[in-house]
Amino acid sequence: AQSVSQHNHHVILSEAASLELGCNYSYGGTVNLFWYVQYPGQHLQLLLKYFSGDPLVKGIKGFEAEFIKSKFSFNLRKPSVQWSDTAEYFCAVNAPDSSYKLIFGSGTRLLVRP
Amino acid sequence: GAGVSQSPRYKVAKRGQDVALRCDPISGHVSLFWYQQALGQGPEFLTYFQNEAQLDKSGLPSDRFFAERPEGSVSTLKIQRTQQEDSAVYLCASSRGLAGGETQYFGPGTRLLVL
Repeated sequence: AQSVSQHNHHVILSEAASLELGCNYSYGGTVNLFWYVQYPGQHLQLLLKYFSGDPLVKGIKGFEAEFIKSKFSFNLRKPSVQWSDTAEYFCAVNAPDSSYKLIFGSGTRLLVRP
Repeated sequence: GAGVSQSPRYKVAKRGQDVALRCDPISGHVSLFWYQQALGQGPEFLTYFQNEAQLDKSGLPSDRFFAERPEGSVSTLKIQRTQQEDSAVYLCASSRGLAGGETQYFGPGTRLLVL
């Protein structure tokens, strides 16, 4: 069965630190990849997505992610975090043979200290 | 424009009660999804509608769960004879088209607590 693994459940950083959140998926075929964010008290919002082409994807608020097919990974990065980045981050996979389903990881809670 | 809305936002039910959760997708969105999010977990797929047709209900945990979208817009997720393990946040999402990979827009969720 397809699955998505997020390695870090909780991350605590100081403002201006760099961020990298890991995401690995288990699916051998073509996939679409997403990062969603949930700010405190708000609903899930799309940060960025990868379908094809350039494996380095840029999203909103300075986030980017790199698709490495050989490692089945889609890690999220930001060079310098802000207090307002405090949120829960979810990686998700959408596979063509079940093209409409999103399969989510368990999420990473990020706390950024001012 | 208006996003996906869900009601009620919170629901407390006694074990054995039936509940109905409503989703209003973004106007014109063809696809509608229901997910269940347990505490500390990511959302898990329940069911998918394309217009009024329920094309996949493989994620529904039991036959106590039933979803409908009779006119291809508003959807209702019904849980009969609720159990404590049904306690979770129920998320609705919609997307514009039919193809895989479309961005899914999520509502705020209904937090269900079964006592």
